[in-house]
Amino acid sequence: GAVVSQHPSWVICKSGTSVKIECRSLDFQATTMFWYRQFPKQSLMLMATSNEGSKATYEQGVEKDKFLINHASLTLSTLTVTSAHPEDSSFYICSATPRQGGWNTEAFFGQGTRLTVV
Amino acid sequence: AQKITQTQPGMFVQEKEAVTLDCTYDTSDQSYGLFWYKQPSSGEMIFLIYQGSYDEQNATEGRYSLNFQKARKSANLVISASQLGDSAMYFCAMRGLNRDDKIIFGKGTRLHILP
Repeated sequence: GAVVSQHPSWVICKSGTSVKIECRSLDFQATTMFWYRQFPKQSLMLMATSNEGSKATYEQGVEKDKFLINHASLTLSTLTVTSAHPEDSSFYICSATPRQGGWNTEAFFGQGTRLTVV
Repeated sequence: AQKITQTQPGMFVQEKEAVTLDCTYDTSDQSYGLFWYKQPSSGEMIFLIYQGSYDEQNATEGRYSLNFQKARKSANLVISASQLGDSAMYFCAMRGLNRDDKIIFGKGTRLHILP
């Protein structure tokens, strides 16, 4: 199946610093990628839709100035958590669906990034 | 707006037994897709099965089958002959027919397989 690679898999940063998370589709192109956030023992909550070559679309309640998304190519989307605070600590995971897939093509997910802000 | 409801926070099942994980959904769309994903403790999301709203037959993938009842808006996952490795979190999810549509998830069911 298709592969989505997410990096880093875990990161610890100091409060007030920024952290960048990369999401790459290794063997397919994706005009759209999605970023989710997952708290322990909870579901995946969609944060934003990353659109190649245009601005991301954020879900209600998600601060776009805090969670910067850049989708510069058909294989790479980045999420930057700016001025991170302990409450931003969470599991962040991205997903993408191959452009060349059919209507029933599943979304492929990255391995996730566990962010801890101290 | 779309909504997925999973009413079973946790389940305990004896190894080799079959298990049904419940999922109901709500949408105003005429066409949509339903998914089940498995999330082990490692955090990765593993695709299990897909059902299109217009599919007349229930989807099956190995030990996984989806009991799709469109009128009731339910899409239950059935795992036959459960194995210890099936212990994980299971999420029901929905997407529009466009593969670029966002996927929304239910709250999940944590399945524990007992030896």
